[in-house]
Amino acid sequence: GAVVSQHPSRVICKSGTSVKIECRSLDFQATTMFWYRQFPKQSLMLMATSNEGSKATYEQGVEKDKFLINHASLTLSTLTVTSAHPEDSSFYICSARDLGLASSYNEQFFGPGTRLTVL
Amino acid sequence: TQLLEQSPQFLSIQEGENLTVYCNSSSVFSSLQWYRQEPGEGPVLLVTVVTGGEVKKLKRLTFQFGDARKDSSLHITAAQPGDTGLYLCAGPPLVFGKGTKLTVNP
Repeated sequence: GAVVSQHPSRVICKSGTSVKIECRSLDFQATTMFWYRQFPKQSLMLMATSNEGSKATYEQGVEKDKFLINHASLTLSTLTVTSAHPEDSSFYICSARDLGLASSYNEQFFGPGTRLTVL
Repeated sequence: TQLLEQSPQFLSIQEGENLTVYCNSSSVFSSLQWYRQEPGEGPVLLVTVVTGGEVKKLKRLTFQFGDARKDSSLHITAAQPGDTGLYLCAGPPLVFGKGTKLTVNP
């Protein structure tokens, strides 16, 4: 149980285009999902918290107009990188918490990540 | 601001050796999680420790939560190449350490 999928796993795009990444909780409902960014050989950097049915909460320094987050259902959150530039190239990972787990201690279940390369 | 410091940052050992990695904080956490991340993949939850002094074992991995719930350790016995990865500790609400990059050479 507690499986999170991401699509696509890899994407290469031209500078100036927009890219949408989907994050799905496959066997549980997630009112809250999280989006992280990870640079090579570094840890996870939280970008934003995605709340179902409401606006996302962005971390300091993350441009909300550039990284659009939509959490339209209890199993799907999307991250759209708008007008992507080479510096946006990174590994993007989403996670979700299974609020249905009685023993949940804030564990997060992560997707497999999306490697974005902007040319 | 709650911080989790992990050490060592990098560790390269030979197959069969034992190792311990640490996760320390000046803050008290209600729980701590350990994750392992392999290159190009998302982190996978290994264990959650909740009670001060708690010890949990997962095959060759032994996790311990400090009595004061400010630190945790992960001990691996007889490391194998399959243990290679980035080990992350995390505490609520969304605090991650920078990780220990472990390489086990055959």
